[in-house]
Amino acid sequence: NAGVTQTPKFRILKIGQSMTLQCAQDMNHNYMYWYRQDPGMGLKLIYYSVGAGITDKGEVPNGYNVSRSTTEDFPLRLELAAPSQTSVYFCASTKQGNTEAFFGQGTRLTVV
Amino acid sequence: DAKTTQPPSMDCAEGRAANLPCNHSTISGNEYVYWYRQIHSQGPQYIIHGLKNNETNEMASLIITEDRKSSTLILPHATLRDTAVYYCVSAGNNRKLIWGLGTSLAVNP
Repeated sequence: NAGVTQTPKFRILKIGQSMTLQCAQDMNHNYMYWYRQDPGMGLKLIYYSVGAGITDKGEVPNGYNVSRSTTEDFPLRLELAAPSQTSVYFCASTKQGNTEAFFGQGTRLTVV
Repeated sequence: DAKTTQPPSMDCAEGRAANLPCNHSTISGNEYVYWYRQIHSQGPQYIIHGLKNNETNEMASLIITEDRKSSTLILPHATLRDTAVYYCVSAGNNRKLIWGLGTSLAVNP
């Protein structure tokens, strides 16, 4: 199993550009999450999904969109990049119920 | 969703037990307490979780107070590789993990 795979690992965007952060898991997990982590801070939840076709907002959803068309994939879309979106983005997945979350290695995004 | 608070930093001598405290005084009855750690800026790594009872696995032990308002993560024999930021996390609705600022643990030789 590859676990949770995020691409790209690094990206620099100009203000106003758009991009999609990819996340895929091969563990057949129902729950998937997107977090962002600013320097010296904990993780903040952007969006999450409890299954294919179902998504919901987290703590900081503004400026982002998600979709969940398959169990495996949970892409995060930035439509109009802003400097405030400079951060490290982590995708995670869990099985249903109270079990451990598996995290990807992160995408470092810089908006200039 | 409960908020957790932890000391910002701690030190521990290599080979000794590291005891990391966490306060979660607003936790509700069905919210679990999870511990994760993050080495450098890698993806967080799961350590252990619990609801009411104390838990132990190959990595650590988790001691939860009877009133569930606080817990302690114990690394029984800390090594240099245990140097990391440790997060005490509550699991809210739909298993949304609510993260605090964590404790930066330095294990010294």
